[in-house]
Parts: sequence; structure tokens; C-alpha cells
Amino acid sequence: GAVVSQHPSWVICKSGTSVKIECRSLDFQATTMFWYRQFPKQSLMLMATSNEGSKATYEQGVEKDKFLINHASLTLSTLTVTSAHPEDSSFYICSARWAGEKLFFGSGTQLSVL
Amino acid sequence: ILNVEQSPQSLHVQEGDSTNFTCSFPSSNFYALHWYRWETAKSPEALFVMTLNGDEKKKGRISATLNTKEGYSYLYIKGSQPEDSATYLCACLNQAGTALIFGKGTTLSVSS
Repeated sequence: GAVVSQHPSWVICKSGTSVKIECRSLDFQATTMFWYRQFPKQSLMLMATSNEGSKATYEQGVEKDKFLINHASLTLSTLTVTSAHPEDSSFYICSARWAGEKLFFGSGTQLSVL
Repeated sequence: ILNVEQSPQSLHVQEGDSTNFTCSFPSSNFYALHWYRWETAKSPEALFVMTLNGDEKKKGRISATLNTKEGYSYLYIKGSQPEDSATYLCACLNQAGTALIFGKGTTLSVSS
């Protein structure tokens, strides 16, 4: 099966700093990757669809200037949380499609903003 | 906005018990339904992708059914084992058919 690697797994940062999360497809090319966020006891909420070589498509209510997505290659998408604040503390997880409709997920990143 | 509901939120069964949980979704503009298993500290893993009304899929002791006319899918686990303990996620394709919208999941705990 396809493997998606996500780093870091856990990050703690000060309020006002920026945090970059990487999502890599290790053994396949992913033209599209998806970024989700999950708050405690809530469902995975789609934040944006990342398309290789073009601008990401953001879901309603997600600030594109705050959550910068870059998908510069077929194997790497990054999510940068700019000027992070405590309310951005959440679990962020990426996924990619390969060989059909199934999604393959990274292991997620737990972000804590102090 | 597509709303995917799962029930129960959590359940606890004994080893050997069979169990099932439900995923409900709007029956209009249905494209596809996915089931994923998410074990603690691991990545969600795809179980089934279902598209046609009446679909039934099976993977070992786990099976799923789909009723698109009434907007629900059932996931069944026969003879639960401790290794089945996980959160089971249901997701449907959004109206644009471009992304998956997830339910909150059902967390299953199996005691030996």
C-alpha cells in the first residue's frame, strides 16, 4: 500500500510564531493532497485541498493567509500555520489519494500553541 | 453542508461478541462512502469504499452494507478481538465529488 509520511508528530510553539508541517508521499506521486484538522471529540474537518503546481482550494471559514499550503512537487505538500495562537492548537493530518478513491493518511501532527 | 453522522459515539464489547455501528448521510447527491479504521498512534487505514445501493463488502471478520436510498451504512464486526479496538470513521464525498467529509467516528473497545 501507499505510505504517507507526516512530520513533525508533535510540536509546541509560542504564540505568534509560525509552524510548518510536512506531508510526503513516499512511494507514489500525489497530485492532490488533503489537509484536515481535528479538535477534541470532533470529526476530521477538511481545511483545504492541495494541488501540485497550483493554488490550494480552501474550505469555507479557513483563512488562506493563516494556513499557507504549498504543493511544489508531486511528493510533498506543506502546511504552515502563520502567527499561531492558542486557538490554533489542534490535531492536523494530511492525506493523499492513490490508485482509486481510497485515502492514505499521514500519522498527524499535534500542535500546541502556548 | 454535507453532514455525516455516526452512532454510537463509543462502545465496549467483550472478546467474541459481534457488533455493528451506523453511519448516516443525506441520500441526495450521494457519490461514495468510505470506512476507515484508526488505531491509536497510527494513521487511519481504509477499509471499504462503497458506491452502489445495496453494496456489501467484506474484509475478514469485518463487513459493511450500504443503503443510498435511505442514507445509511452499517459496519459489522463478527467475533470481536482486542486488536479490533480502534475508532471507525465513516466519510462521504462532498457535493463537488472532490473531498471526503467525515463523521465523528465510533470508538470500539474490545476486552479480552
